[in-house]
Amino acid sequence: EDQVTQSPEALRLQEGESSSLNCSYTVSGLRGLFWYRQDPGKGPEFLFTLYSAGEEKEKERLKATLTKKESFLHITAPKPEDSATYLCAGIGGYNKLIFGAGTRLAVHP
Amino acid sequence: DAGITQSPRHKVTETGTPVTLRCHQTENHRYMYWYRQDPGHGLRLIHYSYGVKDTDKGEVSDGYSVSRSKTEDFLLTLESATSSQTSVYFCAISAQEGNQPQHFGDGTRLSIL
Repeated sequence: EDQVTQSPEALRLQEGESSSLNCSYTVSGLRGLFWYRQDPGKGPEFLFTLYSAGEEKEKERLKATLTKKESFLHITAPKPEDSATYLCAGIGGYNKLIFGAGTRLAVHP
Repeated sequence: DAGITQSPRHKVTETGTPVTLRCHQTENHRYMYWYRQDPGHGLRLIHYSYGVKDTDKGEVSDGYSVSRSKTEDFLLTLESATSSQTSVYFCAISAQEGNQPQHFGDGTRLSIL
């Protein structure tokens, strides 16, 4: 059964304290790994797609990487406005997105 | 932002009543999806559509039906709402199926008492 697991469930950082969020997946025939950001009361906002192991994508303080078993979202020198829930999702041979439960990130000044 | 509007944004209703949620898009995308989001779970697919009048079931389709009579509108109906269907419901759209990102609306918070 296809599955996506995110860790940790929640993460508290001080402003400027870099860290990484983990997304482990077992998705048959992975065709893409997606990262989303979700703010309270809002829908998920698309951040990145990664297609193959070794690929990296960057946007401002965020960098996403992909291996054959997991993906990482690295946050460099975070700011309070980076506080949100980050969702990871994989799509495989059945063309259905499988989501992880998310990591709640809180960045304190 | 992708042009996706969900209505209503909030609804409180009673067990056993029918409920219809609407998703309207202005992007002319072929694919539309309904998800539910519950604490401790990832977003779970309820139903999806791959064209006008073309729909299929997702992972958690029991108790839900959908209809798509126009490209821009995708309706989710709970025929007889139950308390287990209390959730936040999200609509998503994509131009292609597969490895293209889906874009989401801001959700409908549904409470069934």
